[in-house]
Amino acid sequence: GQNIDQPTEMTATEGAIVQINCTYQTSGFNGLFWYQQHAGEAPTFLSYNVLDGLEEKGRFSSFLSRSKGYSYLLLKELQMKDSASYLCAVLFSGSARQLTFGSGTQLTVLP
Amino acid sequence: DGGITQSPKYLFRKEGQNVTLSCEQNLNHDAMYWYRQDPGQGLRLIYYSQIVNDFQKGDIAEGYSVSREKKESFPLTVTSAQKNPTAFYLCASKTSGGDGDTQYFGPGTRLTVL
Repeated sequence: GQNIDQPTEMTATEGAIVQINCTYQTSGFNGLFWYQQHAGEAPTFLSYNVLDGLEEKGRFSSFLSRSKGYSYLLLKELQMKDSASYLCAVLFSGSARQLTFGSGTQLTVLP
Repeated sequence: DGGITQSPKYLFRKEGQNVTLSCEQNLNHDAMYWYRQDPGQGLRLIYYSQIVNDFQKGDIAEGYSVSREKKESFPLTVTSAQKNPTAFYLCASKTSGGDGDTQYFGPGTRLTVL
């Protein structure tokens, strides 16, 4: 299978910075997505990386290293509403353009 | 407003009954997907369709069936053959155009089989 690994849980304080890591098998890599999912709701798209480097979008940034099979999502100036599950999903070639999802990282932001 | 709708949000059924979950999109997307999400787990692909009148099994298709008679609609039937049907079901769609491979999700249906 095409394993995608991310931590199960993380806790951070309001106003702080948190980095959520994601590792994956490099063979057949075609792009990586980050989604945010609040409890009982649909995942919402945050970012897409296909080339190495950092993509910044407001308080959220996503980094990719294709050679290392590694990505991270960086959340700055944390707010209480950022408490959610963050899903890493990888597009592998030969998979009819399907996404393979990690199990998600549950982030809790404390006051 | 453009988007993906799923109904109902909560659904209860007795064991042994088939149930159909609806998914409609007015985004003019070609591809549509059904995922299942269980607590503490990632999304697992049930079925997908890249074009009208065509669909393919995903990783966990057993006990499920779909149809794609219209571009806008991709209903999922959970049959009595599905051994553990209680789960959160998510429908997604994506364009085949410049947006690339980004999938957009509906609000989900939480199915509970009693």
